[in-house]
Amino acid sequence: NAGVTQTPKFQVLKTGQSMTLQCAQDMNHEYMSWYRQDPGMGLRLIHYSVGAGITDQGEVPNGYNVSRSTTEDFPLRLLSAAPSQTSVYFCASSYPRVGGTEAFFGQGTRLTVV
Amino acid sequence: RKEVEQDPGPFNVPEGATVAFNCTYSNSASQSFFWYRQDCRKEPKLLMSVYSSGNEDGRFTAQLNRASQYISLLIRDSKLSDSATYLCVVSSYNNNDMRFGAGTRLTVKP
Repeated sequence: NAGVTQTPKFQVLKTGQSMTLQCAQDMNHEYMSWYRQDPGMGLRLIHYSVGAGITDQGEVPNGYNVSRSTTEDFPLRLLSAAPSQTSVYFCASSYPRVGGTEAFFGQGTRLTVV
Repeated sequence: RKEVEQDPGPFNVPEGATVAFNCTYSNSASQSFFWYRQDCRKEPKLLMSVYSSGNEDGRFTAQLNRASQYISLLIRDSKLSDSATYLCVVSSYNNNDMRFGAGTRLTVKP
């Protein structure tokens, strides 16, 4: 079972370049989200989506765009990469219900901006 | 102040030891509580949900105190394989705003 698939696993960008991190899930989950993880900071929510065509900002949305044209895919776009965006990025999906439910994470993308 | 705060660690314990992690959260409207485990350079994975009545899963026991906004995780009879970072997570009822603590690193030594 694929679960949540992120690509690429590693990426090096130059300052000012743009790129898209891909995320796909095959569990028919409505909720998808993007996090970044920095040392000592925990995971911080960048953007999330509660269904196809619906997206919203999280804690740290600046410098990132998202779209959700299908249930399966939730790409994250870096508009103009900056060294401060060097981080590990995780995509997650979950099925919402009262009381919360398990979030499934992709394997992460390690991004370095030089 | 961070929304979710955890013991900074690291915790280094011998096999067989009992270890406890604490977590506090600031948003009194939080409805769902979890412990996730993250192995080095891997993605987080759900360890257990935390319920008001407390819950146990084998060697792991989680407790929630809503009045004090405090969550705990107790690991008994530690195994080498328990070595990981443990993340405290709180969210609203619909799970779309999960807030993570910075994590507590545990190393279990022979």
